[in-house]
Amino acid sequence: GQQLNQSPQSMFIQEGEDVSMNCTSSSIFNTWLWYKQDPGEGPVLLIALYKAGELTSNGRLTAQFGITRKDSFLNISASIPSDVGIYFCAGRGEGAQKLVFGQGTRLTINP
Amino acid sequence: DSGVTQTPKHLITATGQRVTLRCSPRSGDLSVYWYQQSLDQGLQFLIQYYNGEERAKGNILERFSAQQFPDLHSELNLSSLELGDSALYFCASSVASGSGNEQFFGPGTRLTVL
Repeated sequence: GQQLNQSPQSMFIQEGEDVSMNCTSSSIFNTWLWYKQDPGEGPVLLIALYKAGELTSNGRLTAQFGITRKDSFLNISASIPSDVGIYFCAGRGEGAQKLVFGQGTRLTINP
Repeated sequence: DSGVTQTPKHLITATGQRVTLRCSPRSGDLSVYWYQQSLDQGLQFLIQYYNGEERAKGNILERFSAQQFPDLHSELNLSSLELGDSALYFCASSVASGSGNEQFFGPGTRLTVL
């Protein structure tokens, strides 16, 4: 079945630093999504991507749909304490009903 | 607040028991999804319903079952519970399914099996 590899698994950064994380797939996806999950809460949709090469921003967050359609990237600029949490990528293949989720990147920020 | 509600928020029960988790989708959403998230793990898709009909199935155990009612709320039934079933269970909803109909998640039910 489809699998997503998300990296890094965890990040420890200083406040104000930029962050980059990525997901790669074993097969082609036609949708890439990025979610953030705070402790004890449900994931919240941050950015949705639907076209290869698409670059979309949401405030300090920028995500890209890889040109090969097998990867996606999320960047966070000038991190702040409220960025702490777990970031999940998710993808959907052509004609597929269900999303496949990555294992998550846990972001910790040192003040 | 995503508009998806789940009850109860916490559930503590014993092995061998049966529990029912409830989800109400966002107003206007026809599709409901159930996910399991074990400690420090990713989200495992269990099952999807669309307008009362099962649409897709993931890694759902035979001890688990779900349904979506005419008012579009959904219930996930977990029976013969085992210690390993302890997890967060999330419901998500979307207007329809497929590209462009993205899922919005509820706050989850934390199940503890003792």
